[in-house]
Amino acid sequence: EDQVTQSPEALRLQEGESSSLNCSYTVSGLRGLFWYRQDPGKGPEFLFTLYSAGEEKEKERLKATLTKKESFLHITAPKPEDSATYLCAVRPTSGTYKYIFGTGTRLKVLA
Amino acid sequence: ETGVTQSPTHLIKTRGQQVTLRCSSQSGHNTVSWYQQALGQGPQFIFQYYREEENGRGNFPPRFSGLQFPNYSSELNVNALELDDSALYLCASSGEYTSTDTQYFGPGTRLTVL
Repeated sequence: EDQVTQSPEALRLQEGESSSLNCSYTVSGLRGLFWYRQDPGKGPEFLFTLYSAGEEKEKERLKATLTKKESFLHITAPKPEDSATYLCAVRPTSGTYKYIFGTGTRLKVLA
Repeated sequence: ETGVTQSPTHLIKTRGQQVTLRCSSQSGHNTVSWYQQALGQGPQFIFQYYREEENGRGNFPPRFSGLQFPNYSSELNVNALELDDSALYLCASSGEYTSTDTQYFGPGTRLTVL
């Protein structure tokens, strides 16, 4: 069964303290892996799409990487405004065209 | 370029009632997907519409139904509401479903069932 697991569930960082969020996935084939940021009560905001192992994408303090079994979202020198839930989703090659989401990592950055 | 919009923002219904949620796709997108997100969980796929036809469905009962209109806007209808239907309902639009186009989400509709 296709599955996405994110860790940790929650993370508290001091401002400037870099860290990484993990997304491990089990799918028969991967069409794409997606990272979103979600603020409380709002819709997910698109961050990155990764298609193949070895691919990396960067945006400001965020960098996403992809291997055959997992993806990492690296946050460098985070600021309080980076506090949010970060969601990972995969789109399998087989079956329907849905995204399968993890439960997210709740990030809190303290000033 | 306008993003994905949803209405209403919030909705309160009682058990057994019916509800209709609406979504306007991002300009240039012809595929719409609906997701249900319970508190503290990731979004769960309900169904997808492409050119007015249902294109895929998740593990939701038939009382969850939808429509897509010629302008690619969409509706989600839920009949016989249950308490567990309380959630954030998200609409996402994308380009051709056969591609790996990214889905872009709207702000969501918060449904509370009492």
